Amino acid sequence: KNEVEQSPQNLTAQEGEFITINCSYSVGISALHWLQQHPGGGIVSLFMLSSGKKKHGRLIATINIQEKHSSLHITASHPRDSAVYICAVTLEYGNKLVFGAGTILRVKS
Amino acid sequence: EAQVTQNPRYLITVTGKKLTVTCSQNMNHEYMSWYRQDPGLGLRQIYYSMNVEVTDKGDVPEGYKVSRKEKRNFPLILESPSPNQTSLYFCASSWGGYNEQFFGPGTRLTVL
Repeated sequence: KNEVEQSPQNLTAQEGEFITINCSYSVGISALHWLQQHPGGGIVSLFMLSSGKKKHGRLIATINIQEKHSSLHITASHPRDSAVYICAVTLEYGNKLVFGAGTILRVKS
Repeated sequence: EAQVTQNPRYLITVTGKKLTVTCSQNMNHEYMSWYRQDPGLGLRQIYYSMNVEVTDKGDVPEGYKVSRKEKRNFPLILESPSPNQTSLYFCASSWGGYNEQFFGPGTRLTVL
C-alpha cells in the first residue's frame, strides 16, 4: 500500500463546477503539499499545510491531521485549471518527501 | 528573479557514459532535492540535502550520486547510466522539507 493515496485518479469536469481532490496518508507527517503540473512538465507549489485550511484565489486546501486526510477544492473551475494535481507529504522524522500518484484533471468549456 | 535552474534540459546519452545534471538556486535555500518522474510511478525522491556537505537518500538513490559543496548548487551525477534511468528529473529547493518547494523546469534524460 502506498503511503500517500490520491483520489480520483482522473477527473473530468464542466467549466464552473466545484471540484474536490482527496489525499490520504498512512504515515506521520510534518507537512502536506499540493502541487500542480501543467502539460509540458513544470511543477508549481500551490499549498503547504500543517494544519487547518488555506485559500488562494479559487483554490482551497484543508487538512485533518487526526484523520490523515487532505482535500484540494477548486471553485468555479476553468479550462486553465486542467493539469495534474499532486499531493506530497514531508515525513515526520527527517525531511524526506513522499508523493501521491497524482490526479489528472480536465475541465471542459 | 527567484528561480531554480537545471542544465541540460534535454539529454540523450548511451549506457555507461558518465553524466552530470546541474541544479542551481538563487534564493539562499538550505534544502535542495532531486526527484524523478516516471509514467505510472509518479514523482520519487532520489536524494536531498539539508545544507552544505549534508545529504540523505530518498526513496530511489541507487545509481545516483550527489554533492553539496556550495549552498546554491546540487548536481546529480550518474556515473554509469542505464536505460532504466531514462526519466524526467526535477530539482527543487526550499527552506526545509516542510516548507514550500520551488521546482526547476525539469531535465528529460534518455539513456540508450
